[in-house]
Amino acid sequence: EIVMTQSPATLSVSPGERATLSCRASQGLSLNVAWYQQKPGQSPRLLVWGASTRAAGVPARFSGSGFGTEFTLTISTLQSEDFAVYYCQQYNDRPITFGQGTRLEIK
Amino acid sequence: QVQVQESGPGLVKPSETLSLTCTVSGGSISSHYWSWIRQPPGKGLEWIGYMYYSGSTNYNPSLGGRVTMSVDTSKNQFSLKLSSVTAADTAVYYCARGTPSYYNYMDVWGKGTTVTVSS
Repeated sequence: EIVMTQSPATLSVSPGERATLSCRASQGLSLNVAWYQQKPGQSPRLLVWGASTRAAGVPARFSGSGFGTEFTLTISTLQSEDFAVYYCQQYNDRPITFGQGTRLEIK
Repeated sequence: QVQVQESGPGLVKPSETLSLTCTVSGGSISSHYWSWIRQPPGKGLEWIGYMYYSGSTNYNPSLGGRVTMSVDTSKNQFSLKLSSVTAADTAVYYCARGTPSYYNYMDVWGKGTTVTVSS
C-alpha cells in the first residue's frame, strides 16, 4: 500500500498570506495525485487532479505541483473560506490512499 | 449536473451487515467508476473500494474481505455491503463518482451518511 504523508499536520496562516501544503508518497506516482478540501460537516471537494490541474470552478489562487513522490498545494492569497482540512490522494495504484490531512487554521 | 446521495440505516448492530445504497441523479451510472469512502469521527478518509458500471470491482484489502459492492444500472444505483461490523466501522460513509479511467479520482461526492455500530 502506498503511504501518503502530509505536512504539516496543522498550518496557521493569516488571511491574505500564502499557504504551502506538502504531501510525500512512499512510491513514485507520476502525476496521479489529487487534492481535496473538506470543511466541517461537509463532504470533500475536489480541488486539483493530475497533480496540477484545477477542477472546474476552483479559484486560480489554488495551485498544485509536483511529480513522482513530492507534491505541493499552494494557496496564494488566503481567503476566509479557505480555512479547512486538505487531503492529498494517490490514484496511481490500488488501494487508493489518502494522506492524513493538513488542517489550515487562521493565525 | 450529476449528484449522488447515500441512503441506508444509521444504526447497525455488531456482527451484522451494513448495507448502503448510492443513487445517481442528473446523469448515467455508465462509463464511470463508483467509490465508497468512509471517515471515522474526527479522523481522515479511507477508501473502501470501487466498482465499474460493468460490475468489476476493487476493494481495499484492509477491510479483510468483508466488502461487497453491486450495481443496478436500471435504477442508476450502486450498493455497499460490509459484513461482520464492529464499533471500528462507525463512520460517515460517502459515495463518490470516479472519472472514467483506471487512474480515477473522485469528482462528485455525496453528502455522506452517518453509520453507528452499536447494540
